[in-house]
Amino acid sequence: AQSVTQPDIHITVSEGASLELRCNYSYGATPYLFWYVQSPGQGLQLLLKYFSGDTLVQGIKGFEAEFKRSQSSFNLRKPSVHWSDAAEYFCAVGGRNTPLVFGKGTRLSVIA
Amino acid sequence: DAGITQSPRHKVTETGTPVTLRCHQTENHRYMYWYRQDPGHGLRLIHYSYGVKDTDKGEVSDGYSVSRSKTEDFLLTLESATSSQTSVYFCAISDRYYEQFFGPGTRLTVL
Repeated sequence: AQSVTQPDIHITVSEGASLELRCNYSYGATPYLFWYVQSPGQGLQLLLKYFSGDTLVQGIKGFEAEFKRSQSSFNLRKPSVHWSDAAEYFCAVGGRNTPLVFGKGTRLSVIA
Repeated sequence: DAGITQSPRHKVTETGTPVTLRCHQTENHRYMYWYRQDPGHGLRLIHYSYGVKDTDKGEVSDGYSVSRSKTEDFLLTLESATSSQTSVYFCAISDRYYEQFFGPGTRLTVL
């Protein structure tokens, strides 16, 4: 069965600092991987996605993620965090014939 | 943004009453989903639909039923609401299984 683990429930970073959010997945075939962001009281917005090809993918708002098959990971990164990045981030995995399975999320706080 | 609306956006009801939540899309996407979001659990799939009148159960389907009589509408029904069904419910759509767009959510409180 497919599953997603986001090991960090809550992360606090300083504005301007770099960010890495971890995501590990379990999936029996070639995975499709996603990161979504949710601001308080809002729905989920797609940040980026990986289907195949280049293992480093670029997304919106300056985010990127790297797919590492050997580590079953799809970590999200941003070189310099802005206060507006404070939100909850969800990693998800799916496949061609299966609905997405989401991790439990990582809440990001940004301090001055 | 994908054209997805949910109604109502907020609802307070009492234990034992039936509740129906509606998801409406204007994108003509084939697939539609209902998730619930609870603190510490992330998003969990309740039911999904892969076409008109074609639905399947998700991870947490007990106590919920769904119907899809036309492409644009996907209804979630709680036949007899319980306090454990207090949650935020999200509808999502996709034109393939693997890229979903989400609605704004419905906050349901069962007293």
